[in-house]
Amino acid sequence: DAGVIQSPRHEVTEMGQEVTLRCKPISGHDYLFWYRQTMMRGLELLIYFNNNVPIDDSGMPEDRFSAKMPNASFSTLKIQPSEPRDSAVYFCASSFGTSGVSTDTQYFGPGTRLTVL
Amino acid sequence: DQQVKQNSPSLSVQEGRISILNCDYTNSMFDYFLWYKKYPAEGPTFLISISSIKDKNEDGRFTVFLNKSAKHLSLHIVPSQPGDSAVYFCAASARRKAGKSTFGDGTTLTVKP
Repeated sequence: DAGVIQSPRHEVTEMGQEVTLRCKPISGHDYLFWYRQTMMRGLELLIYFNNNVPIDDSGMPEDRFSAKMPNASFSTLKIQPSEPRDSAVYFCASSFGTSGVSTDTQYFGPGTRLTVL
Repeated sequence: DQQVKQNSPSLSVQEGRISILNCDYTNSMFDYFLWYKKYPAEGPTFLISISSIKDKNEDGRFTVFLNKSAKHLSLHIVPSQPGDSAVYFCAASARRKAGKSTFGDGTTLTVKP
């Protein structure tokens, strides 16, 4: 199994530009999570999906952030417009649940390191 | 309000000795706990977990202890090896709130040869 795939691995952009991060979860997993890691705030859950439906987006910092999961094998996290304080490592993770209850073990992708100048 | 706390940002131990990483939580609804390990430039990987119905779970060199009354868990690594040097995250979830885990800030473990 290829594991969770994220692209790009590194992104450098200028303030005000749109940034799109991509994630392919492990096949068969029905939960998908987006996290952000910074030195100041540690590992923060931004949003998670179950069966492609957003369940909890309370961690999304602002309206500039949006996430979609058009199908079971693809999700995007978009920042528009980007700001320097958005610089962080963004992780996608997936897990498998039965009858709506996750097994809790999450499998993380390698992350996207975003730098906004 | 940080519901999962790892109060020690870093820990350094000698190879062969025991490493003890600690984690405290405040939410009494948490009933499942996990430890993840993270190497630089990689995503966290699952290490070991424990359900609230147990007070100990062991997997090779790794043992997690849970003290529900104190809302405290710890990860013991014995013997520690240089390859164990990584950031360790504690995570907690409430099974009735399916899917969502709350993570601590992590503890950086350095095992010296």
